Amino acid sequence: DAGITQSPRHKVTETGTPVTLRCHQTENHRYMYWYRQDPGHGLRLIHYSYGVKDTDKGEVSDGYSVSRSKTEDFLLTLESATSSQTSVYFCAISPTLMGDEFFGPGTRLTVL
Amino acid sequence: QKEVEQNSGPLSVPEGAIASLNCTYSDRVSQSFFWYRQYSGKSPELIMSIYSNGDKEDGRFTAQLNKASQYVSLLIRDSQPSDSATYLCAVNRNSGNTPLVFGKGTRLSVIA
Repeated sequence: DAGITQSPRHKVTETGTPVTLRCHQTENHRYMYWYRQDPGHGLRLIHYSYGVKDTDKGEVSDGYSVSRSKTEDFLLTLESATSSQTSVYFCAISPTLMGDEFFGPGTRLTVL
Repeated sequence: QKEVEQNSGPLSVPEGAIASLNCTYSDRVSQSFFWYRQYSGKSPELIMSIYSNGDKEDGRFTAQLNKASQYVSLLIRDSQPSDSATYLCAVNRNSGNTPLVFGKGTRLSVIA
């Protein structure tokens, strides 16, 4: 996980509250990704970024927004958390879209 | 049809045996293929990549690709208990213009 950190690592929140997860990299990689991982569903892409202020939707983007104002930071926001968003969230980075993604340590989010 | 399919397992093999993990993909134009290993409670880590038909060896790991059959596999020789993990297959579609698509993973258990 060298060069990529996520905060917080664990969070418990209540339905309806806003939540922001942060991903920070020191590798200066162009691409950054947010995934969620759930039993039976595997890793699913939420949003990704291909540069500062350049983002695109992934497979499961509903209920999530992202922002990237600096190369090193990629934020994931749940505007109004729901119990279905209880999951483990991974951030990943890569220099290209060719697949050499490196993952952060993950954030375990519980929405009560 | 799922884009990337893997048998969820668990696949149990005795220590010292060869473990064979399989993955099929649906998009014929896929160009790049990756194997990630994920230990329980940890983040995925990239262990192998393969781009051309045939075999690619790295230590005890061999990745095999058959684009005609849309099939990629990972062989682990001399399996060790420390190889027990979930192995994720990932495919890069559209010649690298879109992010990776992950399979749900195969859980491998190496029995001492």
